[in-house]
Amino acid sequence: KAGVTQTPRYLIKTRGQQVTLSCSPISGHRSVSWYQQTPGQGLQFLFEYFSETQRNKGNFPGRFSGRQFSNSRSEMNVSTLELGDSALYLCASSLYREQETQYFGPGTRLLVL
Amino acid sequence: GNSVTQMEGPVTLSEEAFLTINCTYTATGYPSLFWYVQYPGEGLQLLLKATKADDKGSNKGFEATYRKETTSFHLEKGSVQVSDSAVYFCALRGPFGNEKLTFGTGTRLTIIP
Repeated sequence: KAGVTQTPRYLIKTRGQQVTLSCSPISGHRSVSWYQQTPGQGLQFLFEYFSETQRNKGNFPGRFSGRQFSNSRSEMNVSTLELGDSALYLCASSLYREQETQYFGPGTRLLVL
Repeated sequence: GNSVTQMEGPVTLSEEAFLTINCTYTATGYPSLFWYVQYPGEGLQLLLKATKADDKGSNKGFEATYRKETTSFHLEKGSVQVSDSAVYFCALRGPFGNEKLTFGTGTRLTIIP
């Protein structure tokens, strides 16, 4: 089975711009979660989607948003980029059952200048 | 809320040394516990997991036992290799439906030949 794929792998943007990141889960996985990884804050949960509905949300400002499509693919969007948004954004997919293992993609590294 | 406390790094060992990375947690109920590994420039890979008390997860020579009485999930390996150099994350996922993964801060491990 193919793993979780994320595109693009690397991205450079300037402050004030917006960005959209894409994630394709493992085939058959219907739950997709997004995490932000930075050296200072570590791994922080952004949100989780299942069946096109946001089921859980972390403590991030409204500039961070996401969506999920009927084929379980997910996108996250960050508007009005700030320097502090520079990070590795990781997507993880899982079967939607209690305590199911989350499998991670390689991440998208975003640099905001 | 849930939390994970992980041994501070970095940790430097010689090849074939014994490895222990400590991890303790705070959670309601009976969470699932995970160790993920991150190699340079990559996403997170699941190393091992345990879903109930006294379970032992194992993979690639690494082991960790779910200790409910001490709320711990310490990672061990009897003889490390240079290829084990990476960052290791302890994580938990609560037992209720769509709970997110809560991560420790990560431990950077370097193995010297």
